[in-house]
Amino acid sequence: SQQGEEDPQALSIQEGENATMNCSYKTSINNLQWYRQNSGRGLVHLILIRSNEREKHSGRLRVTLDTSKKSSSLLITASRAADTASYFCATDGPGYALNFGKGTSLLVTP
Amino acid sequence: DGGITQSPKYLFRKEGQNVTLSCEQNLNHDAMYWYRQDPGQGLRLIYYSQIVNDFQKGDIAEGYSVSREKKESFPLTVTSAQKNPTAFYLCASTIRGRNTEAFFGQGTRLTVV
Repeated sequence: SQQGEEDPQALSIQEGENATMNCSYKTSINNLQWYRQNSGRGLVHLILIRSNEREKHSGRLRVTLDTSKKSSSLLITASRAADTASYFCATDGPGYALNFGKGTSLLVTP
Repeated sequence: DGGITQSPKYLFRKEGQNVTLSCEQNLNHDAMYWYRQDPGQGLRLIYYSQIVNDFQKGDIAEGYSVSREKKESFPLTVTSAQKNPTAFYLCASTIRGRNTEAFFGQGTRLTVV
C-alpha cells in the first residue's frame, strides 16, 4: 500500500535555484521520512520528521510537516548538479516497514 | 564498514526458473525488508522480517519466498510463479521500533530472458 504520493513527478531547475517537492499521505503517521535515490542505486535516508514536529533542517534541506493536511514538503536550497536524483517520502507501514510514494525526479542542470 | 550487501548486482533468469537474491547486513539490525521497484511505481513491499525465524507477507508477496535463519541474512527467492519478475529489487534493514531510518543495499536488477 503506497500511502505517500509525491508532487511533482518531475522537476527541472538550474544550479543555485531552490527545489521544492511535496508529499501527501492518507492516514495518521508516527513520522515521515525523506529518501534520495541516485539512478540505479539504493535509497539513502535524508531526514526524519516526527508527527509532533512541524519543521526540521539538515544542511541545505528543510522539511515541513502539516499533519492537519496530511502533507509534507522537502526544500533543497541552492541546488547543485549533484542533487540530481529521485526523492521519495516514506510513512509507517506494516511492522517497522515503510510505505513509499512514487517519487519526484529532480534534474539540476549546470 | 557496516552496511547491507546485495548480490548479484545483475541477474538474468530464464522462463520457469527460480532464482535467489542475496541480502546480508552487518549492522546488527533485527528487521529486514524486500522491496520491488518498477519504473514509475515507486517501491512496493514484498516481505519483511522483524526477527529471526519470523517473516510476514507485504503487499506483493505472490510468487516470492523468503527465509530468515540468521539475523544477518534475508534471501529472496523469485519463483516461476512470479509472472512478471523483471524489476529492481532492494533489500533494507532497520533496528526494531518506529522513528528509525532504513538502510538500503545497492539493489539487484533481475531480467527475464
